[in-house]
Amino acid sequence: DSGVTQTPKHLITATGQRVTLRCSPRSGDLSVYWYQQSLDQGLQFLIQYYNGEERAKGNILERFSAQQFPDLHSELNLSSLELGDSALYFCASSTNEKLFFGSGTQLSVL
Amino acid sequence: AQSVTQLDSQVPVFEEAPVELRCNYSSSVSVYLFWYVQYPNQGLQLLLKYLSGSTLVKGINGFEAEFNKSQTSFHLRKPSVHISDTAEYFCAVSPYNTDKLIFGTGTRLQVFP
Repeated sequence: DSGVTQTPKHLITATGQRVTLRCSPRSGDLSVYWYQQSLDQGLQFLIQYYNGEERAKGNILERFSAQQFPDLHSELNLSSLELGDSALYFCASSTNEKLFFGSGTQLSVL
Repeated sequence: AQSVTQLDSQVPVFEEAPVELRCNYSSSVSVYLFWYVQYPNQGLQLLLKYLSGSTLVKGINGFEAEFNKSQTSFHLRKPSVHISDTAEYFCAVSPYNTDKLIFGTGTRLQVFP
């Protein structure tokens, strides 16, 4: 158990809808990272937050957004969903650059 | 269930020396195998992956890994490291026909001049 909790584990929705993925980092970790995983492209870095502030941005679409709350949990919001958004979304947390991964949320867009 | 074990949490090495980062996995089903690297202050990047075919896989930046099914290992190697290879390296497995990706705990490679 990495200590990083992601909910829900699975999410099935339709095109055009909006969903929210949640991540609770390890106790004491200030950084949260979001990744999108597909077998073709591997893990794609989306965005990083550090203590509530956006720290780095990767290949995140404009339809996606994220935030980190004062209690350090983070949410990834995906809107106007398309079939191609179906993927496994990982959250990771870190302190001192050591990453710990959650078990992921599997998003299926039908 | 699957698990990934990276036996060394830290590997110190001098520049131009060879290095091997070890990864062993446990799985009752066949898996795909990956190595990812995280450079300081950056997100993860894919180094290489094994899906099928030749068990020796070449990746970016001169790294390669060999899949050994009998030993359930996927060790990462580089014949001559550079200072710029200093980073955290993660081994990961994905069971066939699932959407799971299971990470090891990472190995910090520290290259000294």
